[in-house]
Amino acid sequence: AQSVTQPDIHITVSEGASLELRCNYSYGATPYLFWYVQSPGQGLQLLLKYFSGDTLVQGIKGFEAEFKRSQSSFNLRKPSVHWSDAAEYFCAVAPYNNNDMRFGAGTRLTVKP
Amino acid sequence: DTAVSQTPKYLVTQMGNDKSIKCEQNLGHDTMYWYKQDSKKFLKIMFSYNNKELIINETVPNRFSPKSPDKAHLNLHINSLELGDSAVYFCASSPGTYNEQFFGPGTRLTVL
Repeated sequence: AQSVTQPDIHITVSEGASLELRCNYSYGATPYLFWYVQSPGQGLQLLLKYFSGDTLVQGIKGFEAEFKRSQSSFNLRKPSVHWSDAAEYFCAVAPYNNNDMRFGAGTRLTVKP
Repeated sequence: DTAVSQTPKYLVTQMGNDKSIKCEQNLGHDTMYWYKQDSKKFLKIMFSYNNKELIINETVPNRFSPKSPDKAHLNLHINSLELGDSAVYFCASSPGTYNEQFFGPGTRLTVL
């Protein structure tokens, strides 16, 4: 069955520490891949996306993600977390076109001072 | 300028009532969507519209009906509201396939 998995429901990191949020997908072919961030009480904002080409993609707010076909993963990273990064992060995939976008369950990030 | 806007932001109503949520995008996008986010933050697509044609209709109760008067608007009508309809509803738009979706701020619906 097609699925998007974010294994970590909640992650806590200290401000200034590095961050990696995991995302795995299960689809027949390489889908289009996205990471969105949702701040409390807000809508979703796109951080970055991967369609093709370079497997390391840069996004806004200092985030990057790496697509690994062999692992069916698209993990999100940031070298140094800021307190304002505390939010809910969603991985999303669109297997054939954008109209069928599926979201993972989300990872809530808490940043300790 | 707000790209994707929704009204109202909060909606509290009684079971059995009929309500509507409005969505407007000023991005000139061709496709608009409605998502439901439950209390556990799980996002599920409900509908998408492309040039006034329904593209996706997930297994959503027929009490929910999208209405698109023009390309810039996609309203969500809900009849006979139930407790389980309580959630945050997000509208989104996209310039077309193979592009990201732009989300509105959400409408928190509470059914009492």
